[in-house]
Amino acid sequence: DIQMTQSPSSLSASVGDRVTITCQASQDIAIYLNWYQQTPGKAPKLLIYDASNLQTGVPSRFSGSGSGTDFSLTISSLQPEDIATYYCQHYANLPPTFGGGTKVEIK
Amino acid sequence: EVQLVESGGALVQPGGSLRLSCAASGFTFSSYNMNWVRQTPGKGLEWISYIDSSSNTIHYADSVEGRFTVSRDNAKNSLYLQMNSLRADDTAVYYCARDLFMVGTTDAFDIWGPGTLVTVSS
Repeated sequence: DIQMTQSPSSLSASVGDRVTITCQASQDIAIYLNWYQQTPGKAPKLLIYDASNLQTGVPSRFSGSGSGTDFSLTISSLQPEDIATYYCQHYANLPPTFGGGTKVEIK
Repeated sequence: EVQLVESGGALVQPGGSLRLSCAASGFTFSSYNMNWVRQTPGKGLEWISYIDSSSNTIHYADSVEGRFTVSRDNAKNSLYLQMNSLRADDTAVYYCARDLFMVGTTDAFDIWGPGTLVTVSS
């Protein structure tokens, strides 16, 4: 199985800050990488698919980049409603696997 | 409104069985491939099963292969997960999730249900 490693596991930032989360795959996954946002008690929500495509309805302050083994999710200006845990997920082969998550908090 | 709603979660003893259901509404269910994903505090998010729109292609995670069976009834807009020989490490919130793309095997999960809790304990 392909292992997905996210960093950091948690971060604290101020409103308006630029925030970047990274995700590393244990082998080449091309651009088959998705990002999700999860708030407590809720299901994950798809933010970015195929590494850099913004899902419909997701604010443009979210962006994704990368290919191969190294990927990143950036929030250009952190908002209070962005407080959540973020997960990456690959689908290069079966089984699709998720990263361990990055918890984003407001400083 | 596009929606998925799971049901059937419960407290069950080790070795027991349970059947989860997922009711779909607001979209053409029969056109979409579907998945089951579970989440635990310890192991995080884990994909466990995929079924294509016509039930011709089915895949399972190794952790549930031989114990869980996924099925669907397109006439009833419903997805199911039959879980047998349940173990303590099957304790999790179980989500049904729709594939974003209508072609290919599992990809991005664009619609999720709110989840249903399965607890395996004596």
